[in-house]
Amino acid sequence: QQQVKQSPQSLIVQKGGISIINCAYENTAFDYFPWYQQFPGKGPALLIAIRPDVSEKKEGRFTISFNKSAKQFSLHIMDSQPGDSATYFCAAAGRSGGGYQKVTFGTGTKLQVIP
Amino acid sequence: DAGITQSPRHKVTETGTPVTLRCHQTENHRYMYWYRQDPGHGLRLIHYSYGVKDTDKGEVSDGYSVSRSKTEDFLLTLESATSSQTSVYFCAILQTGAVSGELFFGEGSRLTVL
Repeated sequence: QQQVKQSPQSLIVQKGGISIINCAYENTAFDYFPWYQQFPGKGPALLIAIRPDVSEKKEGRFTISFNKSAKQFSLHIMDSQPGDSATYFCAAAGRSGGGYQKVTFGTGTKLQVIP
Repeated sequence: DAGITQSPRHKVTETGTPVTLRCHQTENHRYMYWYRQDPGHGLRLIHYSYGVKDTDKGEVSDGYSVSRSKTEDFLLTLESATSSQTSVYFCAILQTGAVSGELFFGEGSRLTVL
């Protein structure tokens, strides 16, 4: 059972364009929503994150939009650059039934930015 | 830099053999996690630990066991490796004081089971 659904699976964007990746979650107990960026041969690295009491967060060219009622959130990459080419994972974090911190990931989106 | 080291980084083994992957951290963080990464499945949690000798199962724990006898080491064991366990395995930590969900990952261990 995939608790965090991510789309699209892959994305090709022209340099300077906007990249948009969408995620949806099911468990309302999640209380933190990070995005991770992964380059080939490396581990994922935290990119940007948002709490559910905020509808938008922007850091440089990266923006998270959050819709709590729809249980959806998305990553927007403005002015996409070839260096942004990577795999992006959305995630949802919260406490497990036992009270311990757990993070559930989406299936990933492979972004390619072409010149 | 959270100081995570995974070993081995690459391993090829045969079906039915036991395999142990090691995750070592240098900063005494409480939470440690093992994920596997597969195309089309993203990162799936295998097991996690919230302290020495305190572990719990994730969503894909069948065929795996873990141990944490010291704060700094979290071991993942495949008792009898199968081809379906061919994957890239990532260890992650939740840095002390960090917000839930802000994990720091190791470089990964690529396991091939023939």
